[in-house]
Amino acid sequence: DAMVIQNPRYQVTQFGKPVTLSCSQTLNHNVMYWYQQKSSQAPKLLFHYYDKDFNNEADTPDNFQSRRPNTSFCFLDIRSPGLGDAAMYLCATSGRDLPYEQYFGPGTRLTVT
Amino acid sequence: AQKITQTQPGMFVQEKEAVTLDCTYDTSDPSYGLFWYKQPSSGEMIFLIYQGSYDQQNATEGRYSLNFQKARKSANLVISASQLGDSAMYFCAMRDRNTDKLIFGTGTRLQVFP
Repeated sequence: DAMVIQNPRYQVTQFGKPVTLSCSQTLNHNVMYWYQQKSSQAPKLLFHYYDKDFNNEADTPDNFQSRRPNTSFCFLDIRSPGLGDAAMYLCATSGRDLPYEQYFGPGTRLTVT
Repeated sequence: AQKITQTQPGMFVQEKEAVTLDCTYDTSDPSYGLFWYKQPSSGEMIFLIYQGSYDQQNATEGRYSLNFQKARKSANLVISASQLGDSAMYFCAMRDRNTDKLIFGTGTRLQVFP
């Protein structure tokens, strides 16, 4: 089945230790998104790629970076995680056809110790 | 600016009953799309249903239907014959046509009890 895959599902990192979260998709969608979701809140968009074009949200901290080496893969790098970065990180994709719904992966729950 | 409002932080419904989750929106764009997503405790966001602003009929997908009232700018989700597995967080969202971004409401936590 076509899907959005996120690895790992759970990640524990130490304060200040760089961490990378990965997302892959088999849907061949051209748009990929990274969201941060804290407990009982709506997802907050960090950035998205339209093909290779990178779009950063104005309030995304510089601590967060992203790479999209090809259509299928996208990575979220947190250079120096702080305790406030503990959250669920959701990857999503959308394609070129209406209604452009976003398909989400299962998420990576990040804990910072 | 576009905005989604969900005024019900939590809702309870008995199994097999119907429940309506409210969503109102604000936009000046005549063309827009509205989405509902379900998020169980596992965390994955599951797409449920879509309504386009020019759609003549209310969207339906199985037990889910959308009560779309354009003049009132509301897009309420109706779940019929609730099941225990429907217990989850539900988000209403609007797609920004210019940026491809989804604008989410704050969500409604639905609990279905036996």
